[in-house]
This record gives sequence, C-alpha cells and structure tokens, in this order.
Amino acid sequence: GAVVSQHPSWVICKSGTSVKIECRSLDFQATTMFWYRQFPKQSLMLMATSNEGSKATYEQGVEKDKFLINHASLTLSTLTVTSAHPEDSSFYICSARVKARLGNEQFFGPGTRLTVL
Amino acid sequence: GEDVEQSLFLSVREGDSSVINCTYTDSSSTYLYWYKQEPGAGLQLLTYIFSNMDMKQDQRLTVLLNKKDKHLSLRIADTQTGDSAIYFCAESPLSGGYQKVTFGIGTKLQVIP
Repeated sequence: GAVVSQHPSWVICKSGTSVKIECRSLDFQATTMFWYRQFPKQSLMLMATSNEGSKATYEQGVEKDKFLINHASLTLSTLTVTSAHPEDSSFYICSARVKARLGNEQFFGPGTRLTVL
Repeated sequence: GEDVEQSLFLSVREGDSSVINCTYTDSSSTYLYWYKQEPGAGLQLLTYIFSNMDMKQDQRLTVLLNKKDKHLSLRIADTQTGDSAIYFCAESPLSGGYQKVTFGIGTKLQVIP
C-alpha cells in the first residue's frame, strides 16, 4: 500500500516550452502533496506544499509563476514547469502524506528527470 | 534554520556492519527518519524514530538517537550488495500539524562484494 506514481519518468524538452509532471497516490487519499527538486549529489529541496483544493505554499526562493502546482483531487497533483530553461534541468520528486495518518510519514514517487536543451 | 548533516560516502565489505551517522540542529525535532534512494528512483522510508526514544530496531536496521548531542545513526547489520544506495537522514518537528521535513545531503553507501 501507499504507492505514489509519477509521470513521465523522464522528459527532454526544448528551451522555452512548458512541461507538466503528474503525481498520483494510487491506493490512498493524500491530504497533502509535496514537490521536491534534487540536484546531482545534493539533497532534496522542498519546492512547495500543496493541499487538495487550495493554493500551493511555495518555499522561499521558488518562483510560483515558474512552477505551477495544481492539486485538483486527493489523488493527483501536477507540477508545470513553464518556459523551461536549461537551469531547470533536475530530478523532480513528489511525495504524498496519507490522510488521517498521524505523524509526518511521506511516501515518495519514483521521480521525474527533466532535461531542458 | 534547521540543518541536517551527514558524511558523503561510506564503503564497507559485504557481510560487515555499516554505520551511517547524522547530526541535526533543530532542538524541537520530533521525528527523525532514514530514507533509502536507489539510483534513478525516489525515496523509500526505511525507518523513523520519535525523539523520546533512544533506540529502535527493525530486522537488520538499528537506529540510535542521542538527543543531547543531536546525533542519529543507522546501523545495517550483515550489509548486502543490495544495500548499496544513498541514505538520507531527515528530521521534522511536529506541533499540532504538519511541519516541514528537512533532509540531509545523503550518504552514499558502497558495498564491496
């Protein structure tokens, strides 16, 4: 149980295009979903926290107009990288917190590798 | 702000024990976690410990917490080649609701056959 999927697993796009990444909780309802960015040989950096039906809360330094997050249901959140540039190339990981479960346990998706040419 | 530090690399021989260390700065940390990340994959929660515990054991994994020194360790007994991965230490406070989880940089464990 508590499986989180991401789609696509990898994407290559041209500079200036927008890319949408989906994060789904497959067998549970996620109260909250999180989006992280991971650079090579570095830790995960929390980008934003999204609650179903409300606006995402962005971490300091993360451009909300650049990284659009939509959390339309308890099982789906999307991250759209708008007008992508090479510096946006990274590994993007989402996680989901189980509704009604105590504590902070998060279940992570397998990640999406974005390469912007 | 919160900070979690780990060494970058650890190499052990198959069958030996591995000990991965972590220090954190947030004195209000309530949950402390160990995650495993295999190449190209997301993070898998291995175990976690509450700050009111000193030790937690789960099969080959032993977590030790020294709250006074803000030091957390993960011991893997009888390390196998399948244990080769990056291990992240993480912490979060909890005060009536969700709080941000802060991750360390990750320790790459290399198991030599």
